[in-house]
Amino acid sequence: QSALTQPASVSGPPGQSITISCTGTSSDVGFYNLVSWYQQHPGKAPKLMIYEVSRRPSGVSNRFSGSKSGNTASLTISGLQAEDEADYYCCSYAGSFNLVIFGGGTKVTVL
Amino acid sequence: QVQLVQSGAEVRKPGASVKVSCKASEYTFTTYDINWVRQATGQGLEWMGWMNPNSGHTGFAQKFQGRVSMTRNTSINTAYMELASLTSEDTAVYYCATVPPAALNQFDSWGQGTQVTVSS
Repeated sequence: QSALTQPASVSGPPGQSITISCTGTSSDVGFYNLVSWYQQHPGKAPKLMIYEVSRRPSGVSNRFSGSKSGNTASLTISGLQAEDEADYYCCSYAGSFNLVIFGGGTKVTVL
Repeated sequence: QVQLVQSGAEVRKPGASVKVSCKASEYTFTTYDINWVRQATGQGLEWMGWMNPNSGHTGFAQKFQGRVSMTRNTSINTAYMELASLTSEDTAVYYCATVPPAALNQFDSWGQGTQVTVSS
């Protein structure tokens, strides 16, 4: 099972909105509403930001939102802040053989 | 607040095995599945498998089948991941993470990570 496809990097100035795409197939992202997103700062463990495509865990800022269209999921960060600079990974359930797959990660830079 | 505390860094020679522990606290251990995810230096996240601490049932990514085992000791709220036949490509940070019942890929709490280095 191949990894989900994410852009290597996305950047924007403070206050702007950015969107990270995550492209899979009709067997994973397109079939299941089970896409999650993780934020990872250098040297730290990942942190859950979005689950089930668009749900936010308690404590996660509402500046983070998720969506899906066909085989592509997206994470939008609005009102970009310096603390949002990190790596972001998407993740999808993929069925009975490889159950869970991650994207390659996107480095977000706040200019 | 779920807490997962992992064992310390390990160094192994090629061909050896490594066993990493993940001690859970501040919740009922048998309530959440434990998953393991690894990350090679400068690389992305890679899912390895899951274990239900209540039943002991497991499921593994195809890549690791036959080489990984996941077990638990419910008396001390600890999960274990053992990886055999190590090669240099297994050098990575290994994380345990909790997943709520039936949530599949909702990794909501993570351990601090355990560095495993495979070198001759």
